[in-house]
Amino acid sequence: DAKTTQPTSMDCAEGRAANLPCNHSTISGNEYVYWYRQIHSQGPQYIIHGLKNNETNEMASLIITEDRKSSTLILPHATLRDTAVYYCIVSLYRGSQGNLIFGKGTKLSVKP
Amino acid sequence: NAGVTQTPKFQVLKTGQSMTLQCAQDMNHEYMSWYRQDPGMGLRLIHYSVGAGITDQGEVPNGYNVSRSTTEDFPLRLLSAAPSQTSVYFCASRKGETQYFGPGTRLLVL
Repeated sequence: DAKTTQPTSMDCAEGRAANLPCNHSTISGNEYVYWYRQIHSQGPQYIIHGLKNNETNEMASLIITEDRKSSTLILPHATLRDTAVYYCIVSLYRGSQGNLIFGKGTKLSVKP
Repeated sequence: NAGVTQTPKFQVLKTGQSMTLQCAQDMNHEYMSWYRQDPGMGLRLIHYSVGAGITDQGEVPNGYNVSRSTTEDFPLRLLSAAPSQTSVYFCASRKGETQYFGPGTRLLVL
């Protein structure tokens, strides 16, 4: 699986959009980009995933660059409850039996 | 649905003791897995199963055993606990592209 690079930490003001970047320059053509988050020692929570098109769901939007070497997770109106560690993961669709390789992620702090 | 449940929530063991961490899911998912998370680190895969009767090793399998006799249950056994196994353990099941994680078991080995 390709590796990802994320900033260690980020701050965001409550009510503003949080934009979390991720670099995955060695991603292969059949690998997906997944985002999970972990709120203070709870189990990780799935947010969104995509292959090459931008994706949006009720939690977030995922913007993937045309060359697929980077992506951005957007939380449109961050709340205090969005404070968490966000993991960007690149993995084959059901590849390696669907195993996820977690890095250290980005610690997002949403401040009032 | 209760989702993915794990017991116990906390456990303290002495070096050399054995124990079983329980994991159950009521979503009829075929794929289940166990991860461990050490302080300040991401999750690392211990073992996984793609269905009843089928298990395989992940990144850090040494010191752990698993079995999968039913779709619902995927217990993780520590054969002889060591201080290096002090960690938080997460169980997960998967449907499609989404993995669902349990609340975790905090294990301290003295």
